[in-house]
Order: sequence, then structure tokens, then C-alpha cells
Amino acid sequence: NAGVMQNPRHLVRRRGQEARLRCSPMKGHSHVYWYRQLPEEGLKFMVYLQKENIIDESGMPKERFSAEFPKEGPSILRIQQVVRGDSAAYFCASSPDRVKGYTFGSGTRLTVV
Amino acid sequence: DAKTTQPPSMDCAEGRAANLPCNHSTISGNEYVYWYRQIHSQGPQYIIHGLKNNETNEMASLIITEDRKSSTLILPHATLRDTAVYYCIAATSGNTPLVFGKGTRLSVIA
Repeated sequence: NAGVMQNPRHLVRRRGQEARLRCSPMKGHSHVYWYRQLPEEGLKFMVYLQKENIIDESGMPKERFSAEFPKEGPSILRIQQVVRGDSAAYFCASSPDRVKGYTFGSGTRLTVV
Repeated sequence: DAKTTQPPSMDCAEGRAANLPCNHSTISGNEYVYWYRQIHSQGPQYIIHGLKNNETNEMASLIITEDRKSSTLILPHATLRDTAVYYCIAATSGNTPLVFGKGTRLSVIA
């Protein structure tokens, strides 16, 4: 049973480009969470999704960031017109239900140059 | 969700038990206590969670006081690979996502 799969592991983008981060949850998990970790800082919640629905996006920046979790396929975190401040590790987690613990992926390290 | 308070750092000798404390004095009756850890730059790892009773699994034990205002995570025989930041989180089983604080940086020393 594969864990939470995130790709790519490393992503380099020039300022102004778009970044697409993918997350495939564990089999049977219908809850997906995205977190961001800036260098030397803690994990900050961004968005919580279930299939085809955004449940909580209170941690998402108002502009340039969007997320989806379609009926088929992985969850996507999309960052448009990236800036240097977007450089961070982005972690995805999934769970079968809220009580049980999350399983995190290995993260995508985004570097904006 | 209730706020939790953890010491910023702790040391533990290899092979000894590591006891990591957490205060959650405002925890409500339906909030669980979750523990996660993050080994340098890796994705966080779920360790254990509990509501009222003490819990044990292959990784650790969780001791929750009777009044539920504090808890202790116990790693019975710490190894160098247990060096990590440990997060204690109090949260309900509803849809609000887990909020990670600053945690305790545990250093296991040979």
C-alpha cells in the first residue's frame, strides 16, 4: 500500500511562471490537506479538500494560489506567477477520516529563482 | 482547538526513555491529543493519538493525566534516529484541520 505520493520532489521555477504540485492520497483516503513550510519555520495549514469539494481554504493566500481534488486523479496545488517568497516545502497529507491521524507525503520543494 | 504548550528543546541519551511533556489546560471533552514528529526536512509522521485513556503502539506511549490538562509522549528506548521536532496538537474530530505549533526539538545524544 503506497503512501501519499507527491511530485515532483523538487521544482524550480522562474519568477512569474506557474507551479503545479501534485498529491495522490493513500488508497481509501478521501480527505486531503496541504501545508506549507517556509525555511526554518513551522508547518502552516493552507487548504483542506475532499473529492470535488474545498472544505476549508482559510490558510490559502487570497491571490495566485488555488487547489483542487477532482473526482479522478490527484489533488493539485497551483501557484500562478510565482515570486521568491513562494519558495518553500509544500506537504500534502491524507486521512480516511478526521479522527485517525494524517499520513504525510515527502513534500515538494519549490525554489523560485 | 485548545492551545498546547511544549518546551522548545530537550536532550535525551541514546537508549534511555525520552519523555516529552505537553500542556493543554484548556482542552475540551471532545478534543483528542495528537502527536506527530518531523525528522529534518521530511514529511511529518503520525505517532499516536488519544482521548482519555493511555495509549501504546509500536512507536510510543501516550500518557494523559486524569484531568486531561497535560500529557506525556514516551519513546521507551530513544535512538539517534528519533532526533526530530515533536508536535503535540489538541483537536476535535470535526473538519477543522490540525494546526502545528513550534513543537519540541528532541536531540538524542550518543
